[in-house]
Amino acid sequence: EAQLLESGGDLVQPGGSLRLSCAASGFTFSNYGLSWVRQTPGKGLEWVSAVSGSGGVTYYADSVKGRFTISRDISKNTVYLQMNSLRAEDTAVYYCARSLGNWFDPWGQGTLVTVSS
Amino acid sequence: EIVLTQSPDFQSVTPKEKVTITCRASQSVGTSLHWYQQKPDQSPKLLIKYASQSISGVPSRFSGSGSGTDFTLTINSLEAEDAAAYYCHQSSSLPHTFGQGTKLEIK
Repeated sequence: EAQLLESGGDLVQPGGSLRLSCAASGFTFSNYGLSWVRQTPGKGLEWVSAVSGSGGVTYYADSVKGRFTISRDISKNTVYLQMNSLRAEDTAVYYCARSLGNWFDPWGQGTLVTVSS
Repeated sequence: EIVLTQSPDFQSVTPKEKVTITCRASQSVGTSLHWYQQKPDQSPKLLIKYASQSISGVPSRFSGSGSGTDFTLTINSLEAEDAAAYYCHQSSSLPHTFGQGTKLEIK
């Protein structure tokens, strides 16, 4: 069974940095793209970033472009989201999700990022 | 970016009732439209892919239809366990976008 497990969420001050991790198991990691999607009560679900199976191609939402970097370590079956210059509006639960074709399945359980002074 | 608008935002329904949730896209997405269910304190779960394709393990009372800009998620004979939020998602063009969600309350 394919599973994803996020970690790294924390309370961080505005302008700070944080790195999220998503550990994958139960499937051939290099065969699938992976995305980060965040959720807030006010803005709902927002796609943040995606990386191809090989890790060679990355995509970002305009709201995080230039501040966030997605990467993957195939040897560790893990995807990372490096988040710099964090803002209050980045506060959310961050999910990683496997990209099957164009849909997301499965999703991890999420990790909470809070940006506040 | 493609905006997805769901209706209704909230619906209170009784068990065994038939429920219809609609999702309208601001421009055509073909059939690149997917549906998810999110129960309280859980992550979203894929219900329907490519507008109408069923997913293994998802009860047959869930079905989807539509193409272009107008889509429907139908739940036949609603069960108490279907209390959740439902979201549509388009993957026709980046950025991926989601509808604002429809919350179903079971009376």
